Amino acid sequence: EDKVVQSPLSLVVHEGDTVTLNCSYEVTNFRSLLWYKQEKKAPTFLFMLTSSGIEKKSGRLSSILDKKELFSILNITATQTGDSAVYLCAGTTSGTYKYIFGTGTRLKVLA
Amino acid sequence: DAGVTQSPTHLIKTRGQQVTLRCSPKSGHDTVSWYQQALGQGPQFIFQYYEEEERQRGNFPDRFSGHQFPNYSSELNVNALLLGDSALYLCASSLRVARENSPLHFGNGTRLTVT
Repeated sequence: EDKVVQSPLSLVVHEGDTVTLNCSYEVTNFRSLLWYKQEKKAPTFLFMLTSSGIEKKSGRLSSILDKKELFSILNITATQTGDSAVYLCAGTTSGTYKYIFGTGTRLKVLA
Repeated sequence: DAGVTQSPTHLIKTRGQQVTLRCSPKSGHDTVSWYQQALGQGPQFIFQYYEEEERQRGNFPDRFSGHQFPNYSSELNVNALLLGDSALYLCASSLRVARENSPLHFGNGTRLTVT
């Protein structure tokens, strides 16, 4: 059965810290891996990764995929209180349309 | 550019009742997916609609059904509600033609509470 596992489940840091969120996946016919940020309700898209070893970057956030080891990491540098959210990782497979989500990592950034 | 809109935002129902949730996709999108997110969990795929047909279904019972209209909007219907149906129901839209590189765009969801 396809599954996505995220760690840690929760994390508390102080402003300015750097955090690394982990996502491992077991997905047959892997197509892509996506990261979303969920603050209150709507998950908002961060990154889509399809190729191994290529870093995607947006401001203080970056992500990379390792297709051999079946995992991805999301890095946030110089964290701010506005980064407090649940970060969701999802895998997709060729030939299907569903996203397989992990349970998320709840990040709290203290001022 | 309107994003994905869902209604209502909150809903309280009693066990055994039926509920209908509504979704309008992001402008230009033609495919709608529904997800159920229980508290503390990641979203779980219910089904996806394209061209007014259910294209794929997740592991949900037949009590969950849907519809897509010619204007691409969609409804999710749940019959014979159970306490375990209490969750945030998320609608997401995408563009079929570009789906390989087109991530899902989510609405704010409908919070359903079954008492």
